[in-house]
Amino acid sequence: ESVLTQSPGTLSLSPGERATLSCRASQSLTSTYLAWYQQKPGQAPRLLIYSTSSRATGIPDRFSGSGSGTDFTLTISRLEPEDFAVYYCQQYGTSRGLTFGGGTKVEIK
Amino acid sequence: QLQLQESGPGLVKPSETLSLTCTVSGGSISNTIYHWGWIRQPPGKGLEWIGTIYYSGSTYYNPSLKSRATISADTSKNEFSLKLSSVTAADTAVYYCARHRYCSSSSCYGTLYHFDYWGQGTLVTVSS
Repeated sequence: ESVLTQSPGTLSLSPGERATLSCRASQSLTSTYLAWYQQKPGQAPRLLIYSTSSRATGIPDRFSGSGSGTDFTLTISRLEPEDFAVYYCQQYGTSRGLTFGGGTKVEIK
Repeated sequence: QLQLQESGPGLVKPSETLSLTCTVSGGSISNTIYHWGWIRQPPGKGLEWIGTIYYSGSTYYNPSLKSRATISADTSKNEFSLKLSSVTAADTAVYYCARHRYCSSSSCYGTLYHFDYWGQGTLVTVSS
């Protein structure tokens, strides 16, 4: 089972700035086998990115995903006030390999 | 618009069985394209996948919970359920149900993908 490690734990940025979130796998993943979610307090997670780089329905193009092997990135090109939240990555797989990362909180600086 | 709604007791005693149901509206759980899953989140912590079911009854479980978790589906009611036995305080969490995409082609058959629709979640507290 591959473990997903997200960094940093907390990212303090101002609106308008660029956010770069990392998700590192302990074992190499099939290149398209990663998703990203956004979660706001008291809400369910929302799918942002699937298959490493495809935006889910209704997700603005300021969100983008990339990566391969063990290193994956979620980039928010210009932070909007509604983007301050916790972000999780998730690897695809069979029962043994389906896990989430520990999350990155993007907070207002 | 697809909607999922979790229901069940908010308080369960230690050593008893937690039972939750997810009612799906705006779509059918018998749709062959999708699977249906359960995910939980302890207060202040991250997400943990519990397990997933296909309408035919095929199931996948997180190895760490496999011995205690049972997921079933009732296509006539368009709902699926979770039972988690022998609960302890560590099972206190918000429990979510979600639609689970998967690979149906021969090259990656059985690979579980992402969760694209989620219920709002329900808090279950394990306490005497």
